[in-house]
Amino acid sequence: GAGVSQSPSNKVTEKGKDVELRCDPISGHTALYWYRQRLGQGLEFLIYFQGNSAPDKSGLPSDRFSAERTGESVSTLTIQRTQQEDSAVYLCASSLWGGGTDTQYFGPGTRLTVL
Amino acid sequence: GEDVEQSLFLSVREGDSSVINCTYTDSSSTYLYWYKQEPGAGLQLLTYIFSNMDMKQDQRLTVLLNKKDKHLSLRIADTQTGDSAIYFCAESGDRGSTLGRLYFGRGTQLTVWP
Repeated sequence: GAGVSQSPSNKVTEKGKDVELRCDPISGHTALYWYRQRLGQGLEFLIYFQGNSAPDKSGLPSDRFSAERTGESVSTLTIQRTQQEDSAVYLCASSLWGGGTDTQYFGPGTRLTVL
Repeated sequence: GEDVEQSLFLSVREGDSSVINCTYTDSSSTYLYWYKQEPGAGLQLLTYIFSNMDMKQDQRLTVLLNKKDKHLSLRIADTQTGDSAIYFCAESGDRGSTLGRLYFGRGTQLTVWP
């Protein structure tokens, strides 16, 4: 079966524009995570979805960031009024049920560059 | 400060063993992970260890866990040039409300010289 896919793989945008990043999790995975990886840094947790529960948005850095997920399928991460410090690789991961013992499978990421 | 710390760089000669070290702060961590990231690729899960284990071996990979010192290491035997990548240590603590949220180190860039 296919792994986690993300699109676009690369996105270059101008400061102030909005961008939308997409993640397709592995079919049947109820948990979905977004992380951000800045150059030379580890992964920063952004948001977590698990089934129909309210998402955990505790990692979102500002109100310019939002994410949605339709059921147990596709998720989109939206960044409004992008800033240069938003430049990073945005990684999506999915897992079967979201528990601490559950393996997370990562997508290849979207590299966002804000000029 | 950071919850998970790793040294940033490691260079070894092909055929030697590599040891990548990691320290963490959350004593309630249930699982600890090693992920590999090759250029332009997503993170690939290499191996993981449950917190009640001291050691786990998987082919060329050996994970050692010292829970008292909160120290985790990954040993790669007979390191090959194809092992050159960034290796991330991660823990799934028991803190907060997000089950399964992982806390990552900054990654160790392993360079293998032929």
